[in-house]
Amino acid sequence: SQKIEQNSEALNIQEGKTATLTCNYTNYSPAYLQWYRQDPGRGPVFLLLIRENEKEKRKERLKVTFDTTLKQSLFHITASQPADSATYLCARDTGFQKLVFGTGTRLLVSP
Amino acid sequence: DVKVTQSSRYLVKRTGEKVFLECVQDMDHENMFWYRQDPGLGLRLIYFSYDVKMKEKGDIPEGYSVSREKKERFSLILESASTNQTSMYLCASSFQSGAASSYEQYFGPGTRLTVT
Repeated sequence: SQKIEQNSEALNIQEGKTATLTCNYTNYSPAYLQWYRQDPGRGPVFLLLIRENEKEKRKERLKVTFDTTLKQSLFHITASQPADSATYLCARDTGFQKLVFGTGTRLLVSP
Repeated sequence: DVKVTQSSRYLVKRTGEKVFLECVQDMDHENMFWYRQDPGLGLRLIYFSYDVKMKEKGDIPEGYSVSREKKERFSLILESASTNQTSMYLCASSFQSGAASSYEQYFGPGTRLTVT
C-alpha cells in the first residue's frame, strides 16, 4: 500500500532561518504530492502541489522539491516567522484524487 | 473563496446513538470526502463521493455510512456510535473536470466528536 512518512518529532528553529521538512513515500511514484498547513483545531489548508515531472516549485517563501530517485519531497520555508508555526502535512495521490496523508510534522518558530 | 462548512464544531453523543455529521460546500465541487484525524494516525479517509448519489469506501469505512443527495451536501452517518469513534472529523471537497483537474482539497473546520 502507498504510504507517506513524515518526521513525527517537532522541528524547532529560530526566526529568520530556513525550515526544511521531509516527506518520504513508498512504492511507485505518485503523479503529484501536495503540502498542507494545519493549525490547532482547524482543517488543513492547501499550500502547494508538485507533479512527478517537476523538480521544484516555489510560492513566495515556500519551496517544494520532488526527488523520484530518493522517493522524497522536501518542503522549505525561508526567512521563517513565528506565524509559520503549525503542523505541515504531506499527501500523495492514489488515483482519482484520493489522497493518503502523512501524520504531519509540527514546526515551531521561536522569535 | 471556497467555503466548506460543517454542522457542528463540537458534539457529544452517547454510545449507541445514531449520529449525523453534515458538510456543505459552496463551490460546485464534484468530489467530497470525509476523514477522521487521530493523534499519531493522521488523516484517514472514511468515504468519498465523486457525484450525487455516488459513494466509494475509503480506508476505514466500517461503522460509517454516507449520503449525498445534493451536489453541495455530503453527510456522514454513524449508525450506532461507539467510544472508538471519538475523533476529529474533517470534510473536504475538490473540483474535477475531466483531465484538467484542480487537485487541491478544501477542508472544513472539523467536528470534534466525543462518544461517551
